Amino acid sequence: DGGITQSPKYLFRKEGQNVTLSCEQNLNHDAMYWYRQDPGQGLRLIYYSQIVNDFQKGDIAEGYSVSREKKESFPLTVTSAQKNPTAFYLCASRRDRSTDTQYFGPGTRLTVL
Amino acid sequence: AQSVTQPDIHITVSEGASLELRCNYSYGATPYLFWYVQSPGQGLQLLLKYFSGDTLVQGIKGFEAEFKRSQSSFNLRKPSVHWSDAAEYFCAVGRFKAAGNKLTFGGGTRVLVKP
Repeated sequence: DGGITQSPKYLFRKEGQNVTLSCEQNLNHDAMYWYRQDPGQGLRLIYYSQIVNDFQKGDIAEGYSVSREKKESFPLTVTSAQKNPTAFYLCASRRDRSTDTQYFGPGTRLTVL
Repeated sequence: AQSVTQPDIHITVSEGASLELRCNYSYGATPYLFWYVQSPGQGLQLLLKYFSGDTLVQGIKGFEAEFKRSQSSFNLRKPSVHWSDAAEYFCAVGRFKAAGNKLTFGGGTRVLVKP
């Protein structure tokens, strides 16, 4: 089955620890995105990548980092510098520049204790 | 900058009744418009999209949306709601071939379905 997988579904971390969220796609899509979702605020873009080894900051990149070493993988690290990391994180991908349509993974809920 | 407004945070509708969710956008050029649905604790699923052509767009699960340029709106409708339609719905606007092909999302509308 083609799709986007995110793991784990639930993640708990202590305050001050870095944590990495996984996002993998087997759709052969060029672009990948990370969003943060908080209640009542819709989705806010953290980082995106249009090709391997290249990525751009979104609207709320502070306290986050990413890498894109392989086309199918786009991990997100939530660092200790992120002031309020508890949220639902969604990964998405887009086939290529000919389309705006993004397809989403199932999400990871991160809770920092 | 582009923006999307979904004026209704919550809507409650009886099963079998019709549903309309409002979406207004702000964008200087022809927008590319999307509706997504999210079940609790899940990712987003694409319902439908508008790029050009016929302003009435059909989507999955019996949903349709109408693009009205004069009103800067892209409202989502369903003639008869099923209990499984209870979810959160997001409208989004994109800029074709702009940097990153980024989407801007509205705040969402949560739909509750009464038996």
